[in-house]
Amino acid sequence: GAVVSQHPSRVICKSGTSVKIECRSLDFQATTMFWYRQFPKQSLMLMATSNEGSKATYEQGVEKDKFLINHASLTLSTLTVTSAHPEDSSFYICSARDFKRGDYNEQFFGPGTRLTVL
Amino acid sequence: AQSVTQLGSHVSVSEGALVLLRCNYSSSVPPYLFWYVQYPNQGLQLLLKYTSAATLVKGINGFEAEFKKSETSFHLTKPSAHMSDAAEYFCAVSKAAGNKLTFGGGTRVLVKP
Repeated sequence: GAVVSQHPSRVICKSGTSVKIECRSLDFQATTMFWYRQFPKQSLMLMATSNEGSKATYEQGVEKDKFLINHASLTLSTLTVTSAHPEDSSFYICSARDFKRGDYNEQFFGPGTRLTVL
Repeated sequence: AQSVTQLGSHVSVSEGALVLLRCNYSSSVPPYLFWYVQYPNQGLQLLLKYTSAATLVKGINGFEAEFKKSETSFHLTKPSAHMSDAAEYFCAVSKAAGNKLTFGGGTRVLVKP
């Protein structure tokens, strides 16, 4: 149990276009989902916390108009990178928390999406 | 504020040798601590977690970690390395209320035959 999927796994786009990444909890309901980005050979940096039915909370330095997050249901959150530029190229990872489980703060991670902006 | 420091960005061990990955944390409240493993181009998999119960925590794949409050450490060990242990390992800390994870810089483990 506690499987999180991401789609697509890889995406290549042209500079100036927008890209949507989906994060789904397959076998549990996730009231909270998190979005991270990871540059090559670096650690994960939290971008935003997404709560179902409410606006996402962005970390300092993350442009909310650039990275649009929608968490419309208990099993789906989307990250849209608007007007993508080469510096947005990164590995984007989502995670989800199962509010029915007693595990303390455990987040279940998706497999990641590699975005390359040409 | 919380922070995590992983000493050593790269660790090289021989197959069958002890694996020791160091993690020190700072937290204003009793922390929840985690170790994750990441294989190339994949997401993170939880190895083990400390949630204020037993200080010695056993995880998957033969890994264990010991919470030492006096040293603010949560080092990860495995008695005998296997080739399949070659991966990136991340230590992370969170507070109970916030659920936000703060990650260390990661340690890449290379296992030599």
